[in-house]
Amino acid sequence: QSALTQPASVSGSPGQSITISCTGTSSDVGGYNFVSWYQQHPGKAPKLMINEVSNRPSGVSNRFSGSKSGNTASLTISGLQAEDEADYYCSSYRNAGSVVFGGGTKLTVL
Amino acid sequence: QVQVVESGGGVVQPGGSLTLSCAASGFIFDSYVIHWVRQAPGKGLEWVAFMWSDGSQKFYGDSVKGRFTISRDSSKNTLYLQMNSLRADDTAIYYCARDGQAGYDMDVWGQGTTVTVSS
Repeated sequence: QSALTQPASVSGSPGQSITISCTGTSSDVGGYNFVSWYQQHPGKAPKLMINEVSNRPSGVSNRFSGSKSGNTASLTISGLQAEDEADYYCSSYRNAGSVVFGGGTKLTVL
Repeated sequence: QVQVVESGGGVVQPGGSLTLSCAASGFIFDSYVIHWVRQAPGKGLEWVAFMWSDGSQKFYGDSVKGRFTISRDSSKNTLYLQMNSLRADDTAIYYCARDGQAGYDMDVWGQGTTVTVSS
């Protein structure tokens, strides 16, 4: 099972906005509105930030938003803060009852 | 509070077996799917397996299919992962995570349990 494709790293200055892409195929990202995004700080468990492409679970800052176009989903973080520095992973449901993650993106806040 | 707690990790020789447990509390266990997800040292997340809450269907990632078995005991509110024929590349932190019922999202994660496969 090949992973979804994410950039290895992105960076931005405090207050700026950044976008992380997540590219799959019509069998996963493009075929279902079942894309989630997770934030993981070093040594910690992942935290759900976005589900169903663009929905923010209760308690997640509105600085985080998600979208999708075709086979590519995106996570945008606006008003970057130092605490946003972490690894970010996308995931999607894939045909025949499986879930696939992206390779992860390291966000550096300059 | 709502939580899942993994246990059972350890060091095992290649070809050996190990069973992980995931104890759930604070929510109705039988109403939720729970996933196993792993993370090799310095690597990304990899989905491992899940089963429907009624136990009727089980799904596995390609890298563990035929070697790992997921099961659940509703009387103990516990999910299990039986791992056989372990290989060095199974070395990872193993997390269990509750399915949030919104498009296969995972809304509650445990702290993970570490499995090391080494001779």
